[in-house]
Amino acid sequence: NAGVTQTPKFQVLKTGQSMTLQCAQDMNHEYMSWYRQDPGMGLRLIHYSVGAGITDQGEVPNGYNVSRSTTEDFPLRLLSAAPSQTSVYFCASSYRDRGHYGYTFGSGTRLTVV
Amino acid sequence: AQTVTQSQPEMSVQEAETVTLSCTYDTSESDYYLFWYKQPPSRQMILVIRQEAYKQQNATENRFSVNFQKAAKSFSLKISDSQLGDAAMYFCAYRVLQTGANNLFFGTGTRLTVIP
Repeated sequence: NAGVTQTPKFQVLKTGQSMTLQCAQDMNHEYMSWYRQDPGMGLRLIHYSVGAGITDQGEVPNGYNVSRSTTEDFPLRLLSAAPSQTSVYFCASSYRDRGHYGYTFGSGTRLTVV
Repeated sequence: AQTVTQSQPEMSVQEAETVTLSCTYDTSESDYYLFWYKQPPSRQMILVIRQEAYKQQNATENRFSVNFQKAAKSFSLKISDSQLGDAAMYFCAYRVLQTGANNLFFGTGTRLTVIP
């Protein structure tokens, strides 16, 4: 049981390049989400999914796309990287256990756009 | 809109002493969850403690406890007998129960330093 796996852990992109941040979970959680963490701003929600085939925008969705073809995978695509997208990105899945809600986070991807 | 405010960007505590981290939130909802997460230099987000809004009793987890004041919309974290391993960023977070999406709203964090 690996939990939430994010790849890569580090990435440097040039402005205008595109890339996909991978996120996979093996816990059969229906809900998955992407956050970005910037200094002094905490974590902000980019996109989320409540199940396979269903996605929606969060607080800061511009410049990012997502899809959810399977329960396990929830990739985040940067269409044309910009320096403002330099950040640490976290993927999370959510579960409900005995009436309690919990979240499992990946270890993060540090992205630098130059 | 839900907002979570952590007014202390940095805090320090002597080893073995007690420290309290503040968090306030703004919501019109009646049912929600509150969380404290710890983020050490490894970047991993680690759940410290969780509080259901409908419970009047404050949650405790070993050396960690909260002071939940629903009317004041306050949710502070108390760390007793502080240890060097407690040094980290601490984030307060909030989740509305009514919506189908399990979205978390985070504060801006408090960096805790533990002084030997």
